[in-house]
Amino acid sequence: DIQMTQSPSSLSASVGDRVTITCRASQGISSYLAWYQQKPGKVPKLLIYGASTLQSGVPSRFSGSGSGTDFTLIISSLQPEDIATYYCQNYYSALRTFGQGTKVEIK
Amino acid sequence: QVKLQESGPGLVKPSETLSLTCTVSGGSISSYYWTWIRQPPGKGLEWIGYVYYRGSTNYNPSLKSRVTISLDTSKNQFSLKLSSVTAADTAVYYCGHLAYSSGWYLDYWGQGTLVTVSS
Repeated sequence: DIQMTQSPSSLSASVGDRVTITCRASQGISSYLAWYQQKPGKVPKLLIYGASTLQSGVPSRFSGSGSGTDFTLIISSLQPEDIATYYCQNYYSALRTFGQGTKVEIK
Repeated sequence: QVKLQESGPGLVKPSETLSLTCTVSGGSISSYYWTWIRQPPGKGLEWIGYVYYRGSTNYNPSLKSRVTISLDTSKNQFSLKLSSVTAADTAVYYCGHLAYSSGWYLDYWGQGTLVTVSS
């Protein structure tokens, strides 16, 4: 099974800060990686697929990069509405594992 | 735009079978992949499995012996059955739609339904 490990587990940043979340796969998954945002009490929402393709309607301050085993989600300028938990998911393997999540808070 | 809505009992007794249905609107179930994910209270997301419109399935090995996902094309619905439930199966259950772009990724989610396992 491919394990997905996110870091950090949580972070606190100021409005306007650049935020970086990483996701590491235990083996190569090419670019078959998606990122989701889950606001408190809400349904997860697709932000990025194919490691770097922004889903329609997602603000351009979100970006993704990486391939193989190491991936990054960047929020270029953190906004109050970005408070959420972010999950990566591998869709390379038959077992579609999620990372454990990264909780983003405002400092 | 595809919309999904989960339905089913919110309370299931231990050792019984959890049964949920996902109703699809805005698109035909006779295409694409359809999936179930769950999230225990305060915890992360766990992928349960998916069904292809032609009927083939793939399940999380940790649940495989207890789970069945199936389609009802006449009703544009797909369903989840999880047998021999315990308190550890208490979670919000989401159904979802997989889209294709060099791979099948989860794009649309239902609103989720909380299922509590308790006597």
